[in-house]
Amino acid sequence: QVQLVESGGGLVKPGGSLRLSCAASGFSFSGYFMTWIRQTPGKGLEYVSYISSSGNAVYYADSVKGRFTISRDNAKNSLFLQMNSLRAEDTAVYYCVRESRTSFDFWGQGTLVTVSS
Amino acid sequence: QSALTQPASVSGSPGQSITVSCTGTSSDIGRYEYVSWYQQHPGKAPKVLINEVNNRPSGVSNRFSGSKSGNTASLTISGLQADDDADYYCCSYTGISPHYVFGTGTKVTVL
Repeated sequence: QVQLVESGGGLVKPGGSLRLSCAASGFSFSGYFMTWIRQTPGKGLEYVSYISSSGNAVYYADSVKGRFTISRDNAKNSLFLQMNSLRAEDTAVYYCVRESRTSFDFWGQGTLVTVSS
Repeated sequence: QSALTQPASVSGSPGQSITVSCTGTSSDIGRYEYVSWYQQHPGKAPKVLINEVNNRPSGVSNRFSGSKSGNTASLTISGLQADDDADYYCCSYTGISPHYVFGTGTKVTVL
C-alpha cells in the first residue's frame, strides 16, 4: 500500500536550517507530482511547495520563496525540502503529500518543525 | 489569495445529515471544477473524501457527497456516525500562486 514517511523535523533556532525527507513506497513514485503541505493551529493548512514528476518544475508559496528548496530523487523514491533562514512562523507540522487528480490523495504522518530560540 | 471560508463548527445527531459549506471567489471555486474535501481526526493526517467537486475516491463511504454552486462548495454527510466526529477542510485549485487554497476548517461534532 502507499506509504509516505517523513523525517528530519525538530527544534531549530530562528535563522537556522533543516532538511526534511520523505520516503515513498507502494506506488510508482516517479509518475506523480509531490507536494509539501504544512499545518499550524493558527493558519490551518498551507500549500508550501510542489515538484513535478520529473523534477523539472517546482513551485513555492510566497511565504517560503527564496528560503525553501524542494527536490526529489526518483531512483531512491525520496522527496526533500531544504529549509533555510527559518522563522518562527514556519513552525508547523509538515506533510509529504502525493498529488493526484488535482487533489491530495495520500499524506504522510507529518513531521513537526519548531522554530524557537 | 485568502483562505476559503468555512463555518467553525457544525453538529448533528447520529443518523442525521449535515452540510458543511465552503465559500471562495470567482477566481477559485467559481472558476474551476477542482474542489476537494478532507477529513482529519485529532493527531492524524488529513484524508481525502472528495475530489473534483463530487467524485469519491475508491474506499470512501457513499455517505459523503460534494457539490458546488457558484463560488460555494458543499460537503454533505448523510447517516451521521460517531466516527464522523472530526475536522473537515475544503480545498480549491486557483490557477495562480498559490496553486491551491484551503478552507479555514470545520469541526463536525456528533452529538
